[in-house]
Amino acid sequence: AQSVTQPDIHITVSEGASLELRCNYSYGATPYLFWYVQSPGQGLQLLLKYFSGDTLVQGIKGFEAEFKRSQSSFNLRKPSVHWSDAAEYFCAVGSPLNRDDKIIFGKGTRLHILP
Amino acid sequence: SAVISQKPSRDICQRGTSLTIQCQVDSQVTMMFWYRQQPGQSLTLIATANQGSEATYESGFVIDKFPISRPNLTFSTLTVSNMSPEDSSIYLCSVVGGRGTEAFFGQGTRLTVV
Repeated sequence: AQSVTQPDIHITVSEGASLELRCNYSYGATPYLFWYVQSPGQGLQLLLKYFSGDTLVQGIKGFEAEFKRSQSSFNLRKPSVHWSDAAEYFCAVGSPLNRDDKIIFGKGTRLHILP
Repeated sequence: SAVISQKPSRDICQRGTSLTIQCQVDSQVTMMFWYRQQPGQSLTLIATANQGSEATYESGFVIDKFPISRPNLTFSTLTVSNMSPEDSSIYLCSVVGGRGTEAFFGQGTRLTVV
């Protein structure tokens, strides 16, 4: 079964600084990988996804993520954060080899932005 | 993409009672998924509902507590039975757009048990 770990519960960065949120997965093959964002009191929004091909994936809102098979990682990056990026970020993993399409979520990283 | 409607959007219930949450999708899907998001927590998968068969529950969730129906390819219900304050959460219905695509979510049902 697939699993996903987000090592950082909270991250604080200054507005304009770069950001990297960590995500590690466990799966016997190349999984499907996702990053979702949830703003306070809001629903989930997909930032980006990786299924195959180019390991550097571009998403919405200026985010990107890089799939590194050797490190079982799919870290999310942004070169310059804005105050509006303060939210909860969830990494998620799907399983191409399984018959079901279930997606498992990490515990999330809460991003705080300093003015 | 898929548009998912959940009802009710929120409810306050007495402990010991049950609540049934409805999920309607605007297209036919094979699998529907139910998640729970406890306050300040991540999404935890409760079960996978496949039309025409019993739902498959994740570890820690049982059918007696969270019975699920899946009468057709566009609709599912989740019942939270014999509720306690610990069941206070947001319950989310989800579908996957196709093999290997992302999950789409309803707006959720915010349940408070008093």
